[in-house]
Amino acid sequence: AQKITQTQPGMFVQEKEAVTLDCTYDTSDPSYGLFWYKQPSSGEMIFLIYQGSYDQQNATEGRYSLNFQKARKSANLVISASQLGDSAMYFCAMRESGTGNQFYFGTGTSLTVIP
Amino acid sequence: ETGVTQTPRHLVMGMTNKKSLKCEQHLGHNAMYWYKQSAKKPLELMFVYSLEERVENNSVPSRFSPECPNSSHLFLHLHTLQPEDSALYLCASSQEKQSSGANVLTFGAGSRLTVL
Repeated sequence: AQKITQTQPGMFVQEKEAVTLDCTYDTSDPSYGLFWYKQPSSGEMIFLIYQGSYDQQNATEGRYSLNFQKARKSANLVISASQLGDSAMYFCAMRESGTGNQFYFGTGTSLTVIP
Repeated sequence: ETGVTQTPRHLVMGMTNKKSLKCEQHLGHNAMYWYKQSAKKPLELMFVYSLEERVENNSVPSRFSPECPNSSHLFLHLHTLQPEDSALYLCASSQEKQSSGANVLTFGAGSRLTVL
């Protein structure tokens, strides 16, 4: 079974609107971390936001927030007030505390912001 | 220089060539990684070095050979590659903390490899 599932290969959003990128995960480890990365066409993977499995509140970083629903094993990324520069690939990832240095990545979602 | 630097950014090689990818991190991290990114596939972890010791090798073909001479430098030596090895190779680093899931990976911009 896939550890990280991103079901939206491509998404479009109007500039200044909010958009939600879906991510579900699969783990039996009680301690894990969830990450979102952005990859522009230049290639570099840029860290956006982190959520720990024991964190009580949803993580927020500026215009990024993570909608963490532990029982559903989902960790959706919400981008508010979209900007043209947000157009990129977005990857969800997970690291389990019990598996050392292994990060599991999803297949990504391509986001296009329309002017 | 800051962050994680990868060279070359683009590489075209024949199947009989020998080449190397280089990665350098300026973050003081103690772990470095090589990932392979192919179209429409999740990132594949190839190698991990923690404190200069290889701790992960995910069944990567022997035509890929990593080298980590110190905590700041990581190489991927390439020899007799196949066309299916064409991909974006990403280097990353992290500061490993004990029993913590919050060890963020910091990536370089990648080396785009094309094997003819």
